[in-house]
Amino acid sequence: DGGITQSPKYLFRKEGQNVTLSCEQNLNHDAMYWYRQDPGQGLRLIYYSQIVNDFQKGDIAEGYSVSREKKESFPLTVTSAQKNPTAFYLCASSARDRGHNQPQHFGDGTRLSIL
Amino acid sequence: AQTVTQSQPEMSVQEAETVTLSCTYDTSESNYYLFWYKQPPSRQMILVIRQEAYKQQNATENRFSVNFQKAAKSFSLKISDSQLGDTAMYFCAFMNSGNTPLVFGKGTRLSVIA
Repeated sequence: DGGITQSPKYLFRKEGQNVTLSCEQNLNHDAMYWYRQDPGQGLRLIYYSQIVNDFQKGDIAEGYSVSREKKESFPLTVTSAQKNPTAFYLCASSARDRGHNQPQHFGDGTRLSIL
Repeated sequence: AQTVTQSQPEMSVQEAETVTLSCTYDTSESNYYLFWYKQPPSRQMILVIRQEAYKQQNATENRFSVNFQKAAKSFSLKISDSQLGDTAMYFCAFMNSGNTPLVFGKGTRLSVIA
């Protein structure tokens, strides 16, 4: 079945440590996105990529980094510069079909907590 | 920049009744897309319904329908015959044309009561 796989489901970070969240899709979508969700908040955009080897900062990119070396993969690194990383992270992907945007498909998310 | 506002942080409805969730947005674009996503306690994001701004007809998906008022920049979701499984957070979202990221509202927590 086609879909988006995020791993791990739960992740714990120590102070000063970088951690990487994985996001893989087999939907052949060009665009991929990372969102952060905090309690009582909507989803906020961290980074997005519309094509391989290219990505743009979202609204809250500070303390995060990404890469897009393959169409299927868009890993997110939470660096030690992100002082409040505890949140639920969602990865999504989307395509354009005959010039029209298609809805974003989401992974099941990764819950990141500070040790 | 586009913004999406959901003015009802929490709502409740009796099973089998109808409920309407509000959403307003702000944009200067003429061509865009609007979505309602459902996030149950499992935290999975599930697409409920979508609307293209160039279509005047309101979208409908089974028990879910929207009231899209383009001039008023309003996009409300109506859930008919509410079921216990409809209990979830509901997010309204906006997307420009061109495969750009979604802009989300802060969500409405809906509880369906037996």
